[in-house]
Amino acid sequence: QQPVQSPQAVILREGEDAVINCSSSKALYSVHWYRQKHGEAPVFLMILLKGGEQKGHEKISASFNEKKQQSSLYLTASQLSYSGTYFCGTEIGYGGSQGNLIFGKGTKLSVKP
Amino acid sequence: EAQVTQNPRYLITVTGKKLTVTCSQNMNHEYMSWYRQDPGLGLRQIYYSMNVEVTDKGDVPEGYKVSRKEKRNFPLILESPSPNQTSLYFCASTEGTVNSPLHFGNGTRLTVT
Repeated sequence: QQPVQSPQAVILREGEDAVINCSSSKALYSVHWYRQKHGEAPVFLMILLKGGEQKGHEKISASFNEKKQQSSLYLTASQLSYSGTYFCGTEIGYGGSQGNLIFGKGTKLSVKP
Repeated sequence: EAQVTQNPRYLITVTGKKLTVTCSQNMNHEYMSWYRQDPGLGLRQIYYSMNVEVTDKGDVPEGYKVSRKEKRNFPLILESPSPNQTSLYFCASTEGTVNSPLHFGNGTRLTVT
């Protein structure tokens, strides 16, 4: 039931782009994305609801493909501050949000100068 | 300030000595949950609560108990801690409506020797 994230880790130079994928075997109601710095609490980035909408947050955006039960997080022109571990959290599509999220194992992103 | 407060932040204990990690939120959220985080395994849900007196097991509930006697509080109880429960624990809450993110506490780092 845990969603699968890929890649597990990625190293970038400042200014490069990255894509992080999150796939589920279950029908999803929503996908959440969070970023976590080492030893800190995860920080909310964005939520995508079923319907295939794409959202943006500064230079970070995401899409949700309902048919494939997959979401992708796009980081463009990466900055040093983007370093951290990114988690997707999925909510199974039973008709409404109840805040019951199951998280993937995370993708560790390192941005080098 | 809207927040989720966990205590303690750090805890070192010995095998078998009962302990409680407290979690309190001041946002009147109905939904609360506990996660544990271990390297390479992501955030795994321990327990989930939809409202007062309503709790449900997550993916890794063995060795843990919870209670939800009041809306704001959701303590995590380890009746007989073991070394394999050494981990970083996060409490989270959410309103549970569309586009509502999880609000995480600052985490509790537990070491069981």
